[in-house]
Amino acid sequence: NAGVTQTPKFQVLKTGQSMTLQCAQDMNHEYMSWYRQDPGMGLRLIHYSVGAGITDQGEVPNGYNVSRSTTEDFPLRLLSAAPSQTSVYFCASKAGQVYNEQFFGPGTRLTVL
Amino acid sequence: GENVEQHPSTLSVQEGDSAVIKCTYSDSASNYFPWYKQELGKRPQLIIDIRSNVGEKKDQRIAVTLNKTAKHFSLHITETQPEDSAVYFCAASSYGGSQGNLIFGKGTKLSVKP
Repeated sequence: NAGVTQTPKFQVLKTGQSMTLQCAQDMNHEYMSWYRQDPGMGLRLIHYSVGAGITDQGEVPNGYNVSRSTTEDFPLRLLSAAPSQTSVYFCASKAGQVYNEQFFGPGTRLTVL
Repeated sequence: GENVEQHPSTLSVQEGDSAVIKCTYSDSASNYFPWYKQELGKRPQLIIDIRSNVGEKKDQRIAVTLNKTAKHFSLHITETQPEDSAVYFCAASSYGGSQGNLIFGKGTKLSVKP
């Protein structure tokens, strides 16, 4: 199993550009989520999904969109990038129940100029 | 919503000493408390977790304690080694409509000096 994979590993954008961060998992996990990590701020939840076709907002959803058309994939879209979105983005997944271990992807380092 | 406070933000210990990291949570409905370790440039990885019906859990040199009344939980690392140097995150989760979103503390950077 590859686990949770993310692409790209690094990305530089200009203000106003759009892009999609890709996330996939091969563990048949129902639950997937996106976090951003900023220095001194920990991991903050952006959006999450409890299954295909179901998404909801986390702590810091503004400026990001998500969709979940399949169990495996959970892309994160930045419609109009801003410098404040410079961060490291982690995708994560786990089996549905709350007590199950949450697995993280390797992360995408995004810089918005 | 849930809020998790973590202290200290940095911790430096000598090799062989013990390290303690403390977290408090706000939502009394939270019932699952994992701890993650993140090495530099790597992804967070689960090292230990505890459920609300348990007061303490140990795994070799690491242990976690939970005080539900006070709404705080702690990570204890004994006989620290240089490879324990990393950032540690606590998190809290409650089962419900959100399927157990993990809300994280801001992290503790642990440095173990040889």
